Amino acid sequence: DGGITQSPKYLFRKEGQNVTLSCEQNLNHDAMYWYRQDPGQGLRLIYYSQIVNDFQKGDIAEGYSVSREKKESFPLTVTSAQKNPTAFYLCASSPNRGETQYFGPGTRLLVL
Amino acid sequence: AQSVTQLDSHVSVSEGTPVLLRCNYSSSYSPSLFWYVQHPNKGLQLLLKYTSAATLVKGINGFEAEFKKSETSFHLTKPSAHMSDAAEYFCVVFNRGNAGNMLTFGGGTRLMVKP
Repeated sequence: DGGITQSPKYLFRKEGQNVTLSCEQNLNHDAMYWYRQDPGQGLRLIYYSQIVNDFQKGDIAEGYSVSREKKESFPLTVTSAQKNPTAFYLCASSPNRGETQYFGPGTRLLVL
Repeated sequence: AQSVTQLDSHVSVSEGTPVLLRCNYSSSYSPSLFWYVQHPNKGLQLLLKYTSAATLVKGINGFEAEFKKSETSFHLTKPSAHMSDAAEYFCVVFNRGNAGNMLTFGGGTRLMVKP
């Protein structure tokens, strides 16, 4: 059963804490993406990776970090520098350099 | 730069009546355009895409969209709404650029379907 998985579904962060969101795909896609979605808004790009061991900042990268050590995995860390982290985070992958993207089910991050 | 404008933030229809979700785009060259649907607390699902072939594109669940270059529009339609169509819909344009290939999302239209 191919697809994109994100975990956890809900995540709670305390003040000053770093948290990591998982994104895994078994679609053999080269490109992967992280988006942030705020209520009533479209998606904004945080980071993307076109190939293993390489990634680029998107429009709102400040306060976030990523790694791409394996083709299947693209974890996102929300650092303590991100002052307004509460949002719905979506991961996507693409077989054709981003033209068609397939999305995971999302992780909702809440601040305690 | 490319951009996408969804003209209605909310659309309400009765079950069995037609659906029209409006989208206008700006692009310096022939774009690839998409409609995605998002049900509450879920990821996005691709409904349909236009990539310079036929201007009338058919998608899943009875939706279709027409690319009109003269009007820079890519409106989404469905002849008869079903309760399960209630969701958020996003119009998206694909950017090809030196900085990388990426999607630009419209602000979304929330479709409500009344019984």
